[in-house]
Amino acid sequence: GDSVTQMEGPVTLSEEAFLTINCTYTATGYPSLFWYVQYPGEGLQLLLKATKADDKGSNKGFEATYRKETTSFHLEKGSVQVSDSAVYFCALSSSGFQKLVFGTGTRLLVSP
Amino acid sequence: DTAVSQTPKYLVTQMGNDKSIKCEQNLGHDTMYWYKQDSKKFLKIMFSYNNKELIINETVPNRFSPKSPDKAHLNLHINSLELGDSAVYFCASRQADYEQYFGPGTRLTVT
Repeated sequence: GDSVTQMEGPVTLSEEAFLTINCTYTATGYPSLFWYVQYPGEGLQLLLKATKADDKGSNKGFEATYRKETTSFHLEKGSVQVSDSAVYFCALSSSGFQKLVFGTGTRLLVSP
Repeated sequence: DTAVSQTPKYLVTQMGNDKSIKCEQNLGHDTMYWYKQDSKKFLKIMFSYNNKELIINETVPNRFSPKSPDKAHLNLHINSLELGDSAVYFCASRQADYEQYFGPGTRLTVT
């Protein structure tokens, strides 16, 4: 079945450091790919998405490119802030009714 | 305006009890979902309804029974609660091929 693999966390960075969170997937067909973010004590918010190969999703300084050849959708940000501290989930959706299959989540901790 | 709302936000109850969690969306979406997030933050689909019809049931124990009285509501009833049911339950909704919008979650603690 479909699955998503994310790098283990936590990822600990200093403010203004470069961020990469790796995500790879296994799916039949051509899934849509998503990054969701969960701030402490809150629900999930969509951060960005890409629906076909070579699409780049971007939002709030975060970017991820849909790489079909490597089945990857790595999340990047050039300069993280303390306020980016959260849990980041990579997810895919490929079935007819679009259920989301999530990775295990990666906690990001940014210190001043 | 709250897009997807859930009640209650916190629910503490004892083993063996029956409880319900309610979800409402005011986005006019056709499809609604329940997800479970365990203590390690892992998220997994439980159920999905499309226009009040059950379309996804992911091998969830039959103590869990979703009910959709109309397109805007999807409730989750849990019978005979067990310790392992402690988790955060998220409701979500989606329209056509667009992304899912999540509610704030309900933290269920079974003692």
